[in-house]
Amino acid sequence: IAGITQAPTSQILAAGRRMTLRCTQDMRHNAMYWYRQDLGLGLRLIHYSNTAGTTGKGEVPDGYSVSRANTDDFPLTLASAVPSQTSVYFCASSDSTGGSTDTQYFGPGTRLTVL
Amino acid sequence: GQNIDQPTEMTATEGAIVQINCTYQTSGFNGLFWYQQHAGEAPTFLSYNVLDGLEEKGRFSSFLSRSKGYSYLLLKELQMKDSASYLCAVLDSNYQLIWGAGTKLIIKP
Repeated sequence: IAGITQAPTSQILAAGRRMTLRCTQDMRHNAMYWYRQDLGLGLRLIHYSNTAGTTGKGEVPDGYSVSRANTDDFPLTLASAVPSQTSVYFCASSDSTGGSTDTQYFGPGTRLTVL
Repeated sequence: GQNIDQPTEMTATEGAIVQINCTYQTSGFNGLFWYQQHAGEAPTFLSYNVLDGLEEKGRFSSFLSRSKGYSYLLLKELQMKDSASYLCAVLDSNYQLIWGAGTKLIIKP
């Protein structure tokens, strides 16, 4: 069982380019999340999905979009990357039926640099 | 607004005990999580508290006081591998996780 996988591991991107970060989980969790982590700021939620077919905005959604066509996959797209989107991006999933089942499990992260 | 406060950095000695505090002000409360994050890696789940009191898991224990909006993570018999950041997170009334910025723990021999 792989848990959650993310691709790519790292990427250097020119400003203005489009980029999709991939996330796949094999735990059949209903909820999935995208975070960015910047030094000193902790984890900030970008977008989330409580179940396949639905998505919601988190704390910092601007410049990002997501889709949830099925249970396993939750890609994050940067339509036109800007240097302020340089960060480490983590995908997470949870069973999300309340209480301790809301424990989130994280993928290994994607380190993105926008020049 | 919602707020989670943790010390930015702490230093402790191998073999000793360290307590990492977390205070929170959130809209509602549905549980508090502690995660460990080694440098360059993903956060990993350590503990979950929803009722007041102490939860013990081996060398790690987590305490919660809901009336005080306070939790701590207690690490005993510190090992060098415990050098990491420790993240406190609260599940609010909308079942969204609100994260603290994390406490970087440095263990010295």
